[in-house]
Amino acid sequence: AQKVTQAQTEISVVEKEDVTLDCVYETRDTTYYLFWYKQPPSGELVFLIRRNSFDEQNEISGRYSWNFQKSTSSFNFTITASQVVDSAVYFCALRDNYGQNFVFGPGTRLSVLP
Amino acid sequence: KAGVTQTPRYLIKTRGQQVTLSCSPISGHRSVSWYQQTPGQGLQFLFEYFSETQRNKGNFPGRFSGRQFSNSRSEMNVSTLELGDSALYLCASSLAGASDTGELFFGEGSRLTVL
Repeated sequence: AQKVTQAQTEISVVEKEDVTLDCVYETRDTTYYLFWYKQPPSGELVFLIRRNSFDEQNEISGRYSWNFQKSTSSFNFTITASQVVDSAVYFCALRDNYGQNFVFGPGTRLSVLP
Repeated sequence: KAGVTQTPRYLIKTRGQQVTLSCSPISGHRSVSWYQQTPGQGLQFLFEYFSETQRNKGNFPGRFSGRQFSNSRSEMNVSTLELGDSALYLCASSLAGASDTGELFFGEGSRLTVL
């Protein structure tokens, strides 16, 4: 069975601090897809990134960066120089190769204080 | 291009009533999935529809049902509402082929309160 764990329930940081959100996944598939979504107070989940299991290159997009380590089954998300607008709930998710299962982690609530 | 649209955004019902929620996917997207989000259980998958057929189903009682129309719009229905059905119901669409591994695009959700 597939499972996604986000051990950090809530994180609070002060603006301009760097913060890393952890994500650990479990799957028996050799091909799978990992995602991060952001859910602001409005409720809509906003897609941030998709990564397939064969691509272990880290990715940077502006202040966001992702570290995918297959050896530890982790797909961590770092926000550099956090801003108040980054305050949201962040979800890590896993999808199998057949597109049949899309499993979300419990989410991490990030609060960035001014 | 327009995103996923869900209606209504907010609604209040009483126990025993039924409710119908609507979702219009992104144009060209053929798959629609529904999720229930509660503080205690997080995001839980309800069901997915593709080409008017339910392709996948989560672990919810039969009071939860859905359908998809030929234009890919979807509705979900909850009958005999219980207090525990109070939640944010999120709809997501994706392009979907036989095995779609792309991202889901979410609507803003319908927040249901059952009194």
